[in-house]
Amino acid sequence: QVKLVQSGAEVRKPGASVKVSCRASGYTFTSHGISWMRQAPGQGLEWMGWISTNSGNTRYSQKFQGRVTMTTDTSTTTAFMDLTSLTFDDTAMYYCARGYGSGIPFDFWGQGTLVTVSS
Amino acid sequence: ELTQPPSVSVSPGQTARITCSGDELVNKYACWYQQKPGQSPVMVMYQDNKRPSGIPDRFSGSHSGNTAALTISGTQAMDEADYYCQAWDSSTVLFGGGTKLTVL
Repeated sequence: QVKLVQSGAEVRKPGASVKVSCRASGYTFTSHGISWMRQAPGQGLEWMGWISTNSGNTRYSQKFQGRVTMTTDTSTTTAFMDLTSLTFDDTAMYYCARGYGSGIPFDFWGQGTLVTVSS
Repeated sequence: ELTQPPSVSVSPGQTARITCSGDELVNKYACWYQQKPGQSPVMVMYQDNKRPSGIPDRFSGSHSGNTAALTISGTQAMDEADYYCQAWDSSTVLFGGGTKLTVL
């Protein structure tokens, strides 16, 4: 069955960076892109961007442009999301989901990774 | 921007309807996700009215113009959750603000 397993919770200080991983299994990794979303405490879902696992092409939300980098490692079927220059407002649950491109829904989601930014 | 009502209440066994409005929905598909407390979102509807495998047939979707809707017929206590609509705009993704469905 399709599974997306994310790395564990992280705590960072303001100004630091965090890298979250998302290991996929149960399907052909390069046939489906990966998207990243986040959800601040008590808030709604926010799309951060996506990456084609086939070509490596990325598209980022304008909000995160310059601060986020999404990559993949096809040898380990893992996607990564790197977020730099963290502020307190980046405290959130970060989710990866299978889906890339206009019209392609997010049909499977990871369990989420809590990133806490605290001094 | 996709607009959803912040909350909808329904009695068990009744029909709940959650709407999602926005210019981005005109001529574009909508999807719906259910999120229960402490859990990841789950897709319950895609391409306006298609149910993924495993989603009960009491869930249905519709779309007209700039408004999409998720309808839950014979609502059960287990359907109490937050629901988010989602659409695309120029290769970026939009989510509605979410609707808290309460089954009382």
